[in-house]
Amino acid sequence: GAVVSQHPSRVICKSGTSVKIECRSLDFQATTMFWYRQFPKKSLMLMATSNEGSKATYEQGVEKDKFLINHASLTLSTLTVTSAHPEDSSFYICSANDGTRAGIEQFFGPGTRLTVL
Amino acid sequence: AQSVTQLDSQVPVFEEAPVELRCNYSSSVSVYLFWYVQYPNQGLQLLLKYLSGSTLVKGINGFEAEFNKSQTSFHLRKPSVHISDTAEYFCAVIKGGSEKLVFGKGTKLTVNP
Repeated sequence: GAVVSQHPSRVICKSGTSVKIECRSLDFQATTMFWYRQFPKKSLMLMATSNEGSKATYEQGVEKDKFLINHASLTLSTLTVTSAHPEDSSFYICSANDGTRAGIEQFFGPGTRLTVL
Repeated sequence: AQSVTQLDSQVPVFEEAPVELRCNYSSSVSVYLFWYVQYPNQGLQLLLKYLSGSTLVKGINGFEAEFNKSQTSFHLRKPSVHISDTAEYFCAVIKGGSEKLVFGKGTKLTVNP
């Protein structure tokens, strides 16, 4: 149980294009989803927290107009990197919890490697 | 703000040797503590967690950790490591009342034959 998937696992795009990454909870309803960014050999940086049906809460320093997050249903959240540039190249990981007491635990997706040329 | 310190960025050990990966967190009234493992180009897998109760927590793959409130530590241990344990290990904490995970910088464990 508690499986989170991400799609795509790897994407290469040209500078200036937009890329959408999907995060799905496969066997539970995710009341809250989180998006992280991980630079090479670095820790995870929380970008934003999203709750189903409401606007995402972005961490300080994260451009909300560049990283659009939509949490349209209890099983799906999307991160769109708009007008991507090479500096946006990174490993993006989502996680989800189910809002219960045990929902303190976050279940992580396998990550998406974005390369912007 | 809550912070997590992993004192060792890299830990090389030989196969079948014991290992301890250190983690300290900034003090708070209540915290929930986690250890995650990340293999190359993959997401995070939960090794173990401390929410309440017994301070000695056993996890998957033979790992265990001990919550020490007085020393604000949550060190990860394994009595005998395998080559397959080579990975990046992250300690993380959730402060009571929050839902945000705060990660340490990670420890790269390399198990050599």
